[in-house]
Amino acid sequence: EAGVAQSPRYKIIEKRQSVAFWCNPISGHATLYWYQQILGQGPKLLIQFQNNGVVDDSQLPKDRFSAERLKGVDSTLKIQPAKLEDSAVYLCASRPGTGAGGETQYFGPGTRLLVL
Amino acid sequence: AQTVTQSQPEMSVQEAETVTLSCTYDTSESDYYLFWYKQPPSRQMILVIRQEAYKQQNATENRFSVNFQKAAKSFSLKISDSQLGDAAMYFCAYRTYNNNDMRFGAGTRLTVKP
Repeated sequence: EAGVAQSPRYKIIEKRQSVAFWCNPISGHATLYWYQQILGQGPKLLIQFQNNGVVDDSQLPKDRFSAERLKGVDSTLKIQPAKLEDSAVYLCASRPGTGAGGETQYFGPGTRLLVL
Repeated sequence: AQTVTQSQPEMSVQEAETVTLSCTYDTSESDYYLFWYKQPPSRQMILVIRQEAYKQQNATENRFSVNFQKAAKSFSLKISDSQLGDAAMYFCAYRTYNNNDMRFGAGTRLTVKP
């Protein structure tokens, strides 16, 4: 079974530029999460999707961050415009949601963003 | 709000020895899940072990086991017969049954000495 895929793996941009990250969850996983992991900290939830609907985006800085999961499969996370403090690893995770072990989240390799 | 605290920023263990990583959490819920995730350097986060709060029996996965003390809100991870490949950041995480928001601790960096 293929894992959660993310691209790009690394991105360097200048402040005020835009950037987009892509995530392909494990096949059949209805729930998808985007996390921000700042160096030296644990991941912090940005947004959660259930199929193509948003379940929780309370910690998403909506003035600059946006995310979508139009067909309930792949998802994109965008930052526009980026700030220095957005430098972090952006993790995508997915969860089956049903059955034994359905509560476990499976993580992708992350996209490491550096804003200069 | 639920919080997860890992009081040990760094730990080290000699290869083949046993090490215990600490985690405490704060919650008013009675039903929830607890997890330990491992994040090797520049590699993706993987699940090590999970525990359902309603289960009194401590979870075990091969060399990994937990000491779950619900009343004390403590969830420590014991790694037996430590191997070089166990070196990583370890994150303790918490999630209620109904709230999808997973809360992570700040992590413990484990070094394994040969």
